Amino acid sequence: DSGVTQTPKHLITATGQRVTLRCSPRSGDLSVYWYQQSLDQGLQFLIQYYNGEERAKGNILERFSAQQFPDLHSELNLSSLELGDSALYFCASSATSGSFEQFFGPGTRLTVL
Amino acid sequence: KNQVEQSPQSLIILEGKNCTLQCNYTVSPFSNLRWYKQDTGRGPVSLTIMTFSENTKSNGRYTATLDADTKQSSLHITASQLSDSASYICVVSARGNNRLAFGKGNQVVVIP
Repeated sequence: DSGVTQTPKHLITATGQRVTLRCSPRSGDLSVYWYQQSLDQGLQFLIQYYNGEERAKGNILERFSAQQFPDLHSELNLSSLELGDSALYFCASSATSGSFEQFFGPGTRLTVL
Repeated sequence: KNQVEQSPQSLIILEGKNCTLQCNYTVSPFSNLRWYKQDTGRGPVSLTIMTFSENTKSNGRYTATLDADTKQSSLHITASQLSDSASYICVVSARGNNRLAFGKGNQVVVIP
């Protein structure tokens, strides 16, 4: 158990809908990272927050957005969902803004029908 | 082109045998390289982290090597067990930013 929690574990929705994925980092970690992993694809970095502020942006679509709240939990919002958005979404956390050691959550499996 | 290339893409080995996974990268300037183990449908778990000055690091039956000159790393699994069946992901970090470059993983299947 990495100490990072993600909810929900599974999510099934229809195209065009909007969903919110939630992540709670390890106790004391200030940085949260979001990744997408499609079938047979490697992990794709989406976005990083550090202590409530956006720190780095990766291959995140404009239909996706994220935020980190004062209690350090983070939410990833996915809107106007398309079939291709079906994937595993992982959250990771680290103690600092540097990415030296990241701890991954169990992931949320999103299925768009 | 991906900055981190892993080979072989997939591998089937007999329980008890050894295997070696390869990772070549082009990330520069180099900060550190890590190997993660990812069981199917689970989050990746860190196995080793190596900085520029380290050329080998072990974690139980897993031994990682790093040649920063040739930009190559390997992960050696000794006396494989069924529980070693997983994807092994090589991740390289560049100095000066927070970005990580991920390989697509080596899929290892250990059979009895």
